[in-house]
Amino acid sequence: EAGVAQSPRYKIIEKRQSVAFWCNPISGHATLYWYQQILGQGPKLLIQFQNNGVVDDSQLPKDRFSAERLKGVDSTLKIQPAKLEDSAVYLCASSFYGGLAGTVSSYEQYFGPGTRLTVT
Amino acid sequence: AQSVAQPEDQVNVAEGNPLTVKCTYSVSGNPYLFWYVQYPNRGLQFLLKYITGDNLVKGSYGFEAEFNKSQTSFHLKKPSALVSDSALYFCAVRDGNYGQNFVFGPGTRLSVLP
Repeated sequence: EAGVAQSPRYKIIEKRQSVAFWCNPISGHATLYWYQQILGQGPKLLIQFQNNGVVDDSQLPKDRFSAERLKGVDSTLKIQPAKLEDSAVYLCASSFYGGLAGTVSSYEQYFGPGTRLTVT
Repeated sequence: AQSVAQPEDQVNVAEGNPLTVKCTYSVSGNPYLFWYVQYPNRGLQFLLKYITGDNLVKGSYGFEAEFNKSQTSFHLKKPSALVSDSALYFCAVRDGNYGQNFVFGPGTRLSVLP
């Protein structure tokens, strides 16, 4: 079974430039997550999709970050314009079914290798 | 809102000795608890989870974790550590009743010394 794919693996940009990351989840996984992991910290959820709908984007800085999941499969995360503090690893994960609260399902998430973004 | 604490930034253990990586959590409803491991330059890998049932759960690579509701803890354990277990370990929680998103702890770096 192929894992979660992400590209690019590394990206260096200057502040105020824009950047986009791509994620292809595991086939059949309805739920897709984007996380930001700053060095020395745990991953922080940015946005969660269920199929092509947004379930949670409460921690997404919407003035500069945007994400979409067309057709409920691949997803892109964009930053425009980038700031120095956006330097981090951006992780994509997928799970079979994120589920509504109170339902029992396969919650474990499978992560991609991440994209390391450096903003100079 | 849910939260996770991993009180130790670093745990050092000698190869062959038992290891414990600690995790405590806070949720309003029933906790769904997870452990993940991160090797250098790689994404997180799922180790094990507690949703319901037996308080002792077994996972990948010989790891296990014990859910303790009264102490709100979910410590990760292994009877005999290997050098290859050296990595960054993350505990995560989801509120089974009131939340849909996961919250990860800050991580604990495990070093197994030969």
